[in-house]
Amino acid sequence: GQSLEQPSEVTAVEGAIVQINCTYQTSGFYGLSWYQQHDGGAPTFLSYNALDGLEETGRFSSFLSRSDSYGYLLLQELQMKDSASYFCAVRDDSWGKLQFGAGTQVVVTP
Amino acid sequence: DADVTQTPRNRITKTGKRIMLECSQTKGHDRMYWYRQDPGLGLRLIYYSFDVKDINKGEISDGYSVSRQAQAKFSLSLESAIPNQTALYFCATRGGTSTDTQYFGPGTRLTVL
Repeated sequence: GQSLEQPSEVTAVEGAIVQINCTYQTSGFYGLSWYQQHDGGAPTFLSYNALDGLEETGRFSSFLSRSDSYGYLLLQELQMKDSASYFCAVRDDSWGKLQFGAGTQVVVTP
Repeated sequence: DADVTQTPRNRITKTGKRIMLECSQTKGHDRMYWYRQDPGLGLRLIYYSFDVKDINKGEISDGYSVSRQAQAKFSLSLESAIPNQTALYFCATRGGTSTDTQYFGPGTRLTVL
């Protein structure tokens, strides 16, 4: 079957670093994306990895290892506004469809 | 103005009623998607469309239908609503970019009693 696994919740203090892991098993693989969703809001795109390695965008970085079917999102210098749910999503075919993980709720405490 | 809009934002209805959720976009994207979100389950794809003449079923299409009236409009219908269709519904669009970015609307919270 197809699946994406990520932790359900992570708690950290302001200023800390958080890593959210995502392992996937899908019929096809074109790339791994990360989305952020604040409570009651729309998911918003954070990053995308099609090839192995690290992509950095400000305080957020995303990593992919295709051979290990694994990726992670790294949140640095955590801020209160980073409290949200984070979803990994695999593009599994040439049509651009995404399969989403169940999401990781990040709770940032003072 | 928002690039992807959804109407209504909230809807309460009764079992057996027909419901239509509407999505409009001003991004000029060809690809549009409907997802539902349930607590703890992430987003699941219901239907997707790559142009007006192209409609495809997603992971959970049973009990739903769609209509792509124009490039900018993609509607989702529940022909006969049932309580387990209570969920948060999102419309999304995607352009022909290499980053696979999907742009989501604000969502419609649907409650079926």
